[in-house]
Amino acid sequence: DAKTTQPTSMDCAEGRAANLPCNHSTISGNEYVYWYRQIHSQGPQYIIHGLKNNETNEMASLIITEDRKSSTLILPHATLRDTAVYYCIVRVEAAGNKLTFGGGTRVLVKP
Amino acid sequence: DVKVTQSSRYLVKRTGEKVFLECVQDMDHENMFWYRQDPGLGLRLIYFSYDVKMKEKGDIPEGYSVSREKKERFSLILESASTNQTSMYLCASSLWDRGLEQYFGPGTRLTVT
Repeated sequence: DAKTTQPTSMDCAEGRAANLPCNHSTISGNEYVYWYRQIHSQGPQYIIHGLKNNETNEMASLIITEDRKSSTLILPHATLRDTAVYYCIVRVEAAGNKLTFGGGTRVLVKP
Repeated sequence: DVKVTQSSRYLVKRTGEKVFLECVQDMDHENMFWYRQDPGLGLRLIYFSYDVKMKEKGDIPEGYSVSREKKERFSLILESASTNQTSMYLCASSLWDRGLEQYFGPGTRLTVT
């Protein structure tokens, strides 16, 4: 699996966009980029994933650079409930795969 | 919305007791997973199942067993609880062909005394 690097922490103002970077310079052609988050004392929550095209859903947007060596998760209008640890994972898509989380980015949304 | 429920949010058991943790999902997912999460050790896979009555060991199956008699239900069993099994236990489910798009339950914080 490709190694990912994320900032340890970041703050964001409520109502503003939060841009969370992830570097994955050793990503291979068949590896997807997945994002999860975990709010304190809750189970992890799937956010979004993509291969090479940008993706958007009701929670967030995922921007993947053309060389696929980095990506950015965008929370368009951060709320206090978005305070969580965000994990970027790079893996081959396969049935039954286990999830492992690295250090992640601790995001604090401030009023 | 996918809903994964776990039988208890908090559980306190004594050493040597048999412990059952239940997980139910309502989205007809084929895959189900049991993880434990500990500070500094991250998320670790205990067992997973890709079909009724099928199970596969994860990274740390010792001291645990599982049961999947119905598609929507996946049970984790601690045959004889020990203090080193004190942890947060997380159940997840996913579609057969979207194995990494997993939906988690709220977790069960188990304390073994």
